[in-house]
Amino acid sequence: KAGVTQTPRYLIKTRGQQVTLSCSPISGHRSVSWYQQTPGQGLQFLFEYFSETQRNKGNFPGRFSGRQFSNSRSEMNVSTLELGDSALYLCASSLDTGRGYTFGSGTRLTVV
Amino acid sequence: AQSVTQPDIHITVSEGASLELRCNYSYGATPYLFWYVQSPGQGLQLLLKYFSGDTLVQGIKGFEAEFKRSQSSFNLRKPSVHWSDAAEYFCAVGSRSGNTPLVFGKGTRLSVIA
Repeated sequence: KAGVTQTPRYLIKTRGQQVTLSCSPISGHRSVSWYQQTPGQGLQFLFEYFSETQRNKGNFPGRFSGRQFSNSRSEMNVSTLELGDSALYLCASSLDTGRGYTFGSGTRLTVV
Repeated sequence: AQSVTQPDIHITVSEGASLELRCNYSYGATPYLFWYVQSPGQGLQLLLKYFSGDTLVQGIKGFEAEFKRSQSSFNLRKPSVHWSDAAEYFCAVGSRSGNTPLVFGKGTRLSVIA
């Protein structure tokens, strides 16, 4: 079956702009989580959605937001981009929270 | 709050040698435990997971890990390393209740030399 699909794979944005990243989970998976990965901070949890409801939220500013649609696809949005937002953004899906996640290949965001 | 410590930032082993990557966790109860591997520029691939039962779990690519409750550890092992195993390895802990997200360690980078 198809894995977790993240689009786009690469993105270059200018400071102050906003960006939307997309994640299509494995068919049947209702939980979608987002992580930010940087060399200095490692993998940091952004948020998790389950059946269109935000179940958990990490310690990120309000510029970071997300949502999940009825077909379980998820989007995350970052507004007013800063240089420090440059990172690999990873999406992961699961049948349910905590029981093992399948990750996508990520979106590499570069803010210039 | 749950946390994961991977004490070794970088490990270099010779091809054919055995490997052990350390992972210690902090969690109030018995957690779900995972090992993931990441190749450069790629996402994370699940190597193995522990939910319950036998404390020695087998994974893909010849990896295994042992859950030791008394030591709060979940070390990853492989008897003979291949050059293709060079990657970054992450240990993660999840809650059985599902109330908290998966928490990752900082990772251990594995280099393999001939």
